[in-house]
Amino acid sequence: DAGITQSPRHKVTETGTPVTLRCHQTENHRYMYWYRQDPGHGLRLIHYSYGVKDTDKGEVSDGYSVSRSKTEDFLLTLESATSSQTSVYFCAIKESMNTEAFFGQGTRLTVV
Amino acid sequence: GNSVTQMEGPVTLSEEAFLTINCTYTATGYPSLFWYVQYPGEGLQLLLKATKADDKGSNKGFEATYRKETTSFHLEKGSVQVSDSAVYFCALSDLRDSNYQLIWGAGTKLIIKP
Repeated sequence: DAGITQSPRHKVTETGTPVTLRCHQTENHRYMYWYRQDPGHGLRLIHYSYGVKDTDKGEVSDGYSVSRSKTEDFLLTLESATSSQTSVYFCAIKESMNTEAFFGQGTRLTVV
Repeated sequence: GNSVTQMEGPVTLSEEAFLTINCTYTATGYPSLFWYVQYPGEGLQLLLKATKADDKGSNKGFEATYRKETTSFHLEKGSVQVSDSAVYFCALSDLRDSNYQLIWGAGTKLIIKP
């Protein structure tokens, strides 16, 4: 199995508080992605990274920021959590176009 | 732009039935195509892939053929088992997208009854 770990696995937080989710990989893959998964919406890309300190927005980036200071770590921050950000968040890593994406186990975030 | 369309679920079948989950795509470049599976409470994992037209991907009894003329990548299995119950996602990755993003279908939930 690919070495990709998400933390925490579950989190409950209050509206308005900052939250940081961590994705850690041991595969040295260049590309890393944050998705959210909601019923009826499939997977939606939040942000992605194509190298250390190189990040870009996905289709649902509002309210989220990311950082990648090391190859192995990709952090997703909700600056001020809202109830609409209650979701399951997945991190994925990818080496190149024709290789598979490996997914973490997901983080279930509940904003109350 | 690129997009992936999957048949809506849930799809409910009896054990040993034949399975088809339809997937069609639009792409401006030369995509690679993937099927991922998600079991309850888990992340997605690759089921099979095809990187060029007429390629057939296969794994665990599942197959899908990359059909450029019909822009399709339908998932099939000859005899499903209860353990195949999961959500299946079709996805593409386009060579022209330098960041190699995956474009996802909405997912199809498969329920197999004993």
